[in-house]
Amino acid sequence: GDSVTQMEGPVTLSEEAFLTINCTYTATGYPSLFWYVQYPGEGLQLLLKATKADDKGSNKGFEATYRKETTSFHLEKGSVQVSDSAVYFCALSVVGNQFYFGTGTSLTVIP
Amino acid sequence: NAGVTQTPKFQVLKTGQSMTLQCAQDMNHNSMYWYRQDPGMGLRLIYYSASEGTTDKGEVPNGYNVSRLNKREFSLRLESAAPSQTSVYFCASTSVMTGYRNQPQHFGDGTRLSIL
Repeated sequence: GDSVTQMEGPVTLSEEAFLTINCTYTATGYPSLFWYVQYPGEGLQLLLKATKADDKGSNKGFEATYRKETTSFHLEKGSVQVSDSAVYFCALSVVGNQFYFGTGTSLTVIP
Repeated sequence: NAGVTQTPKFQVLKTGQSMTLQCAQDMNHNSMYWYRQDPGMGLRLIYYSASEGTTDKGEVPNGYNVSRLNKREFSLRLESAAPSQTSVYFCASTSVMTGYRNQPQHFGDGTRLSIL
């Protein structure tokens, strides 16, 4: 069945470090892929998305490229800030009302 | 922009009590969802409603009931609360149209529910 596997955390980085959070997926069709961010005490917010192979989603300095050949959608940021501390979820949707989420990766950025 | 609004934000119940979690969206979305979030388990789908008047079970429906009251509102009811239902509950909505790529879901801020 369709599923998402993302890198387990927690991840702790120093400010200005490079971030990668790995996400791979299994899907029977051609999924849309999403990254969501959850700040403490809040709901999930869409961070970026990509709807077809080789698309690059980007927002707030974060990027992720839809790689069909490796079934991956890794999240990257060149220089993290303390304000990026949050939980990040990878998700996919194929057709209809089916959305699948990874288990989340907690990121803490220290000054 | 209100987006998805959930009430209440916090609730403490005793085992066996009942309660209804409310969710409303103002984005004219046709599909609405209820998830629970537990540590280390990500989001698990409880129920969803593809359109007004329809509801379907998700991954973990036992112990819950839902009502799609109209296009805007989708409520989740716990008839006899159990400690295992202590969790954070999220409502989400989106537009799903046949033949089109799914739009991302929009989430509410959650209801933090403790059952003693």
